[in-house]
Amino acid sequence: AQTVTQSQPEMSVQEAETVTLSCTYDTSESDYYLFWYKQPPSRQMILVIRQEAYKQQNATENRFSVNFQKAAKSFSLKISDSQLGDAAMYFCAYRSAGGNKLVFGAGTILRVKS
Amino acid sequence: EAQVTQNPRYLITVTGKKLTVTCSQNMNHEYMSWYRQDPGLGLRQIYYSMNVEVTDKGDVPEGYKVSRKEKRNFPLILESPSPNQTSLYFCASSEWQGSNQPQHFGDGTRLSIL
Repeated sequence: AQTVTQSQPEMSVQEAETVTLSCTYDTSESDYYLFWYKQPPSRQMILVIRQEAYKQQNATENRFSVNFQKAAKSFSLKISDSQLGDAAMYFCAYRSAGGNKLVFGAGTILRVKS
Repeated sequence: EAQVTQNPRYLITVTGKKLTVTCSQNMNHEYMSWYRQDPGLGLRQIYYSMNVEVTDKGDVPEGYKVSRKEKRNFPLILESPSPNQTSLYFCASSEWQGSNQPQHFGDGTRLSIL
């Protein structure tokens, strides 16, 4: 069974600085998707960024980018120019290419200091 | 507007009193799923449905039932709720099993079982 591990329960960053959230996963499959979701205090699950395993190029979405290391099974999220609105719980998630079940990590709480 | 609607958003009830959390999507999605979110555990899948009248267990199905009589609706039923089912619940949908499109999440239902 696939597992996703987020080893940082909490992280802090100063406004306008850069922070990296870590995620590792375990799978024997070669084709899959990886996601980062943001959950603000409103509890909504907001998709931040996704990566297809077959793509070597790291995904980017504005201030958000990932470092995808397939051999190391690592998928970290970098947030540049952090803003107060980035404060939230962040979940890393895995999904098989042929399935729909998302396997989530335990989450990382990100605090942004002004 | 494409959305997944859950009701209620909050519910406090007592042990043993049957309850239903409704979930409805307006995107004609075939795949629907229920997750529960608990601190330190992330989100875990309870049940899923690949289409009308097709449902199957996820990772934590004990104490829950589901039905899929119509494509748009996927209610979660707790026949005899217990305090260990106190949690935050999410319904999600996607086009079909294996679709490369990300899932849409509802806004969550906070259940407290006393």
